[in-house]
Amino acid sequence: GQSLEQPSEVTAVEGAIVQINCTYQTSGFYGLSWYQQHDGGAPTFLSYNALDGLEETGRFSSFLSRSDSYGYLLLQELQMKDSASYFCAVRDEGSARQLTFGSGTQLTVLP
Amino acid sequence: SQTIHQWPATLVQPVGSPLSLECTVEGTSNPNLYWYRQAAGRGLQLLFYSVGIGQISSEVPQNLSASRPQDRQFILSSKKLLLSDSGFYLCAWTGEFYEQYFGPGTRLTVT
Repeated sequence: GQSLEQPSEVTAVEGAIVQINCTYQTSGFYGLSWYQQHDGGAPTFLSYNALDGLEETGRFSSFLSRSDSYGYLLLQELQMKDSASYFCAVRDEGSARQLTFGSGTQLTVLP
Repeated sequence: SQTIHQWPATLVQPVGSPLSLECTVEGTSNPNLYWYRQAAGRGLQLLFYSVGIGQISSEVPQNLSASRPQDRQFILSSKKLLLSDSGFYLCAWTGEFYEQYFGPGTRLTVT
């Protein structure tokens, strides 16, 4: 089966940089994706990594190291609106048509 | 572009009553469709997924069922709701890399 670990809470100030880590254990691996969910809303897709390295999308970047079974989401120039829960999710060979989600990291951005 | 609809947005039902939640997708054909449930402050639990009309895979034994009567329609049902069925129900479809795109969700409260 699969398991993912991410911190439950992270706090940072506006304008700062924050990194949310995700470690996973899978039987085979296809890719790691990240999602943002504001209170009361549905999750929205942020990024996807299948290969090692950094993927950048505006203020958000996502990194993957397949050899370390580790990835992170990097948020730069934090804004108050970035306060939300962030989930990592993996797809692996054992369950190729579905994702397994982490339990989520609650990010609080302080003024 | 693809759009996913869910209704109703909120629902309050008594224990023992039936349930029917509907999800429809526009702008894509033969999508993989998924039902998730999220308890308050928790992660996403995959309930069912479907790769085509009449094809349903169940991930969690429970008193819920799913059906896919049409290519772009996915329905979640229950004959008798339990208190533990309360939660945020999300329908999703997958992109090229199985990243998930979620509908707006239905918040169900069983009283």
